[in-house]
Amino acid sequence: GAVVSQHPSWVICKSGTSVKIECRSLDFQATTMFWYRQFPKQSLMLMATSNEGSKATYEQGVEKDKFLINHASLTLSTLTVTSAHPEDSSFYICSARPGKGDWGGEHFGDGTRLSIL
Amino acid sequence: DAKTTQPTSMDCAEGRAANLPCNHSTISGNEYVYWYRQIHSQGPQYIIHGLKNNETNEMASLIITEDRKSSTLILPHATLRDTAVYYCIVRVVDSSYKLIFGSGTRLLVRP
Repeated sequence: GAVVSQHPSWVICKSGTSVKIECRSLDFQATTMFWYRQFPKQSLMLMATSNEGSKATYEQGVEKDKFLINHASLTLSTLTVTSAHPEDSSFYICSARPGKGDWGGEHFGDGTRLSIL
Repeated sequence: DAKTTQPTSMDCAEGRAANLPCNHSTISGNEYVYWYRQIHSQGPQYIIHGLKNNETNEMASLIITEDRKSSTLILPHATLRDTAVYYCIVRVVDSSYKLIFGSGTRLLVRP
């Protein structure tokens, strides 16, 4: 089945640094990718929609200058958490939607656990 | 968007069928019922979806009531690996649609 790879799976860094998370669709072209954040014991919260070749669309309350999204190709989207602080510690998950066909559902990566010290 | 309501948690014995209900009384005619699950510390996994007919695949069966206001996901022979949070989501099959997750049902499969 379709595979979405997310990297890194786990990262720890100091407060104030920037962290980049990659989301790749390995065997299909994804015109649309989504980024979610999940805090412990909570559901997934959609942060933004990333469309190839255009600016991301952010959900209400998500700071676009804080969470930079780039979708430069049909197989790669990146999320950069800029000047990360402890409150940004969370589980970040991406999903990818094929361009056409396949309405079996979005394909999700296995998430990136981000810990800011 | 149509909302769904699911029980917060359920449990069942290993080897028995797990029946997970979902209410979606405000579902629109063009909205599908999708089920995903999330095993601890992993990304969500697609299970099954349907519009109005019952559906079955290698993972589960989906039973949708005739009025489409509720549905049930059936795992016919639950295993310990089926312990997860199960999300019922209604959505249009549209390239612009965003997948919004509710609270889901936490299913515990007991040995």
